[in-house]
Amino acid sequence: EAQVTQNPRYLITVTGKKLTVTCSQNMNHEYMSWYRQDPGLGLRQIYYSMNVEVTDKGDVPEGYKVSRKEKRNFPLILESPSPNQTSLYFCASSRGTPTGELFFGEGSRLTVL
Amino acid sequence: QKEVEQDPGPLSVPEGAIVSLNCTYSNSAFQYFMWYRQYSRKGPELLMYTYSSGNKEDGRFTAQVDKSSKYISLFIRDSQPSDSATYLCALTAGGTSYGKLTFGQGTILTVHP
Repeated sequence: EAQVTQNPRYLITVTGKKLTVTCSQNMNHEYMSWYRQDPGLGLRQIYYSMNVEVTDKGDVPEGYKVSRKEKRNFPLILESPSPNQTSLYFCASSRGTPTGELFFGEGSRLTVL
Repeated sequence: QKEVEQDPGPLSVPEGAIVSLNCTYSNSAFQYFMWYRQYSRKGPELLMYTYSSGNKEDGRFTAQVDKSSKYISLFIRDSQPSDSATYLCALTAGGTSYGKLTFGQGTILTVHP
Protein backbone atom coordinates (compact mmCIF):
# COMPACT_ATOMS: atom_id res chain seq x y z
CA GLU A 1 0.00 0.00 0.00
CA ALA A 2 1.31 3.42 -1.00
CA GLN A 3 1.75 5.53 2.08
CA VAL A 4 3.60 8.19 3.99
CA THR A 5 4.42 7.07 7.53
CA GLN A 6 5.19 9.44 10.36
CA ASN A 7 6.41 8.62 13.86
CA PRO A 8 5.62 9.33 16.58
CA ARG A 9 1.95 10.15 16.09
CA TYR A 10 1.71 11.78 19.50
CA LEU A 11 4.47 13.21 21.67
CA ILE A 12 4.65 15.32 24.80
CA THR A 13 8.08 16.68 25.58
CA VAL A 14 9.74 19.46 27.55
CA THR A 15 11.48 22.62 26.43
CA GLY A 16 14.99 22.04 25.18
CA LYS A 17 14.88 18.27 24.80
CA LYS A 18 15.94 17.41 21.26
CA LEU A 19 13.53 15.32 19.27
CA THR A 20 13.16 13.87 15.80
CA VAL A 21 9.97 13.15 13.92
CA THR A 22 10.56 10.55 11.26
CA CYS A 23 8.89 10.42 7.86
CA SER A 24 9.13 7.62 5.33
CA GLN A 25 7.41 7.11 1.97
CA ASN A 26 7.25 3.97 -0.16
CA MET A 27 6.27 5.56 -3.47
CA ASN A 28 9.77 6.45 -4.73
CA HIS A 29 8.81 10.13 -4.70
CA GLU A 30 11.50 12.74 -5.34
CA TYR A 31 9.77 15.53 -3.48
CA MET A 32 9.09 15.58 0.28
CA SER A 33 7.95 18.36 2.56
CA TRP A 34 7.06 19.17 6.16
CA TYR A 35 4.13 21.31 7.27
CA ARG A 36 2.76 22.46 10.56
CA GLN A 37 -0.95 23.07 11.06
CA ASP A 38 -2.22 25.52 13.65
CA PRO A 39 -5.79 26.78 14.26
CA GLY A 40 -6.55 29.84 12.18
CA LEU A 41 -3.24 29.62 10.33
CA GLY A 42 -3.79 26.60 8.13
CA LEU A 43 -0.89 24.56 6.81
CA ARG A 44 2.47 26.31 6.72
CA GLN A 45 5.48 24.84 4.99
CA ILE A 46 8.57 24.30 7.14
CA TYR A 47 11.09 22.69 4.79
CA TYR A 48 11.00 20.82 1.53
CA SER A 49 13.32 18.59 -0.43
CA MET A 50 13.40 18.20 -4.20
CA ASN A 51 15.60 15.11 -4.04
CA VAL A 52 18.34 13.41 -2.04
CA GLU A 53 20.72 15.95 -0.47
CA VAL A 54 18.61 18.85 -1.80
CA THR A 55 16.61 20.77 0.81
CA ASP A 56 15.23 24.29 1.06
CA LYS A 57 13.39 26.47 3.52
CA GLY A 58 9.67 26.93 3.45
CA ASP A 59 7.79 29.75 5.13
CA VAL A 60 8.48 28.89 8.80
CA PRO A 61 11.88 27.11 9.05
CA GLU A 62 13.10 28.72 12.30
CA GLY A 63 13.82 26.18 15.02
CA TYR A 64 13.75 23.18 12.68
CA LYS A 65 16.31 21.14 10.77
CA VAL A 66 15.90 18.49 8.11
CA SER A 67 18.08 16.08 6.19
CA ARG A 68 17.53 13.96 3.09
CA LYS A 69 20.17 11.26 2.97
CA GLU A 70 17.90 8.65 1.40
CA LYS A 71 15.07 9.11 -1.05
CA ARG A 72 12.44 7.50 1.15
CA ASN A 73 13.21 9.30 4.44
CA PHE A 74 12.90 12.94 5.46
CA PRO A 75 13.22 13.42 9.23
CA LEU A 76 12.29 16.67 10.98
CA ILE A 77 14.60 17.63 13.83
CA LEU A 78 13.81 20.01 16.65
CA GLU A 79 17.18 20.71 18.28
CA SER A 80 15.78 22.68 21.21
CA PRO A 81 11.98 22.59 21.18
CA SER A 82 10.02 25.51 22.60
CA PRO A 83 6.32 25.80 23.49
CA ASN A 84 5.59 27.76 20.29
CA GLN A 85 6.46 24.61 18.37
CA THR A 86 3.46 22.85 19.86
CA SER A 87 1.53 21.94 16.74
CA LEU A 88 0.23 19.25 14.41
CA TYR A 89 2.93 18.27 11.93
CA PHE A 90 2.42 16.68 8.53
CA CYS A 91 4.93 15.11 6.21
CA ALA A 92 4.05 14.89 2.53
CA SER A 93 5.57 13.55 -0.67
CA SER A 94 4.94 13.78 -4.40
CA ARG A 95 6.45 12.73 -7.71
CA GLY A 96 7.59 16.30 -8.05
CA THR A 97 5.18 17.40 -10.74
CA PRO A 98 4.15 21.07 -10.88
CA THR A 99 0.62 20.15 -9.87
CA GLY A 100 1.97 19.79 -6.37
CA GLU A 101 -0.22 16.76 -5.74
CA LEU A 102 0.89 15.76 -2.29
CA PHE A 103 0.35 12.55 -0.40
CA PHE A 104 0.20 13.29 3.30
CA GLY A 105 0.99 11.26 6.35
CA GLU A 106 -1.46 10.91 9.23
CA GLY A 107 0.12 13.71 11.24
CA SER A 108 2.19 13.97 14.42
CA ARG A 109 0.77 15.93 17.31
CA LEU A 110 3.57 17.48 19.32
CA THR A 111 3.20 19.22 22.67
CA VAL A 112 6.15 21.08 24.16
CA LEU A 113 5.77 21.97 27.84
CA GLN B 1 -1.20 40.81 3.93
CA LYS B 2 -1.25 37.03 3.65
CA GLU B 3 -0.48 35.60 0.23
CA VAL B 4 -3.64 33.48 0.36
CA GLU B 5 -6.83 34.34 2.23
CA GLN B 6 -9.58 31.83 2.90
CA ASP B 7 -12.70 32.34 4.97
CA PRO B 8 -12.36 29.84 7.84
CA GLY B 9 -16.10 29.54 8.33
CA PRO B 10 -17.38 27.38 9.88
CA LEU B 11 -19.96 26.75 7.21
CA SER B 12 -23.04 24.67 7.99
CA VAL B 13 -25.48 23.66 5.25
CA PRO B 14 -28.33 21.19 4.83
CA GLU B 15 -27.88 18.07 2.74
CA GLY B 16 -28.45 18.77 -0.95
CA ALA B 17 -27.32 22.41 -0.79
CA ILE B 18 -24.84 23.98 -3.18
CA VAL B 19 -21.69 24.97 -1.36
CA SER B 20 -19.28 27.68 -2.48
CA LEU B 21 -15.77 27.84 -1.01
CA ASN B 22 -13.39 30.63 -1.96
CA CYS B 23 -9.84 31.86 -1.74
CA THR B 24 -8.22 35.10 -2.79
CA TYR B 25 -4.53 35.54 -3.37
CA SER B 26 -2.07 38.36 -3.94
CA ASN B 27 0.87 36.72 -5.76
CA SER B 28 0.31 36.89 -9.52
CA ALA B 29 3.04 34.26 -10.03
CA PHE B 30 0.71 31.48 -8.85
CA GLN B 31 -0.12 29.23 -11.81
CA TYR B 32 -1.37 26.00 -10.27
CA PHE B 33 -4.42 25.88 -8.04
CA MET B 34 -5.53 22.98 -5.95
CA TRP B 35 -8.19 22.08 -3.44
CA TYR B 36 -7.49 19.63 -0.66
CA ARG B 37 -10.01 17.98 1.65
CA GLN B 38 -9.09 17.06 5.20
CA TYR B 39 -11.24 14.83 7.34
CA SER B 40 -10.94 15.03 11.11
CA ARG B 41 -7.70 13.48 12.42
CA LYS B 42 -6.45 12.76 8.91
CA GLY B 43 -3.95 14.27 6.51
CA PRO B 44 -5.25 16.36 3.60
CA GLU B 45 -5.96 14.65 0.28
CA LEU B 46 -6.07 16.21 -3.17
CA LEU B 47 -9.57 16.88 -4.43
CA MET B 48 -9.17 19.04 -7.51
CA TYR B 49 -6.36 20.62 -9.48
CA THR B 50 -6.52 23.34 -12.13
CA TYR B 51 -3.91 25.15 -14.15
CA SER B 52 -4.37 28.85 -14.93
CA SER B 53 -7.81 30.38 -15.43
CA GLY B 54 -10.96 28.44 -16.21
CA ASN B 55 -13.28 25.80 -14.86
CA LYS B 56 -12.82 22.13 -14.15
CA GLU B 57 -15.57 19.72 -13.23
CA ASP B 58 -15.34 16.35 -11.51
CA GLY B 59 -18.65 14.81 -10.55
CA ARG B 60 -20.33 17.05 -7.97
CA PHE B 61 -17.25 19.28 -7.67
CA THR B 62 -16.33 22.26 -9.85
CA ALA B 63 -13.13 24.26 -9.44
CA GLN B 64 -13.02 27.74 -10.88
CA VAL B 65 -10.04 30.06 -11.28
CA ASP B 66 -10.17 33.74 -12.18
CA LYS B 67 -6.59 34.95 -12.44
CA SER B 68 -7.59 38.48 -13.37
CA SER B 69 -9.36 38.82 -10.01
CA LYS B 70 -6.93 36.51 -8.17
CA TYR B 71 -9.89 34.50 -6.97
CA ILE B 72 -10.47 30.76 -6.88
CA SER B 73 -13.59 28.83 -5.96
CA LEU B 74 -14.75 25.30 -5.28
CA PHE B 75 -18.42 24.47 -5.77
CA ILE B 76 -20.02 21.36 -4.36
CA ARG B 77 -23.40 20.40 -5.79
CA ASP B 78 -25.91 18.20 -3.98
CA SER B 79 -23.77 18.25 -0.85
CA GLN B 80 -23.71 15.13 1.30
CA PRO B 81 -22.93 14.56 5.00
CA SER B 82 -19.81 12.73 3.81
CA ASP B 83 -18.59 16.07 2.41
CA SER B 84 -18.21 17.37 5.98
CA ALA B 85 -14.52 18.20 6.28
CA THR B 86 -12.05 21.06 6.16
CA TYR B 87 -11.34 22.32 2.64
CA LEU B 88 -8.02 23.98 1.91
CA CYS B 89 -6.97 25.82 -1.20
CA ALA B 90 -3.32 25.45 -2.21
CA LEU B 91 -1.37 27.44 -4.76
CA THR B 92 2.06 27.19 -6.34
CA ALA B 93 3.94 29.13 -8.97
CA GLY B 94 5.31 25.92 -10.48
CA GLY B 95 8.47 25.90 -12.57
CA THR B 96 11.56 26.29 -10.40
CA SER B 97 9.33 27.30 -7.47
CA TYR B 98 7.07 24.29 -7.52
CA GLY B 99 8.52 23.08 -4.25
CA LYS B 100 6.82 25.94 -2.42
CA LEU B 101 3.15 25.34 -1.89
CA THR B 102 1.05 27.95 -0.08
CA PHE B 103 -2.16 26.89 1.63
CA GLY B 104 -5.16 28.91 2.72
CA GLN B 105 -6.34 28.70 6.32
CA GLY B 106 -9.00 26.12 5.47
CA THR B 107 -12.82 26.30 5.64
CA ILE B 108 -14.63 23.94 7.99
CA LEU B 109 -17.76 22.58 6.29
CA THR B 110 -20.55 20.65 7.96
CA VAL B 111 -23.37 19.15 5.90
CA HIS B 112 -26.23 18.07 8.14
CA PRO B 113 -28.88 15.51 7.11
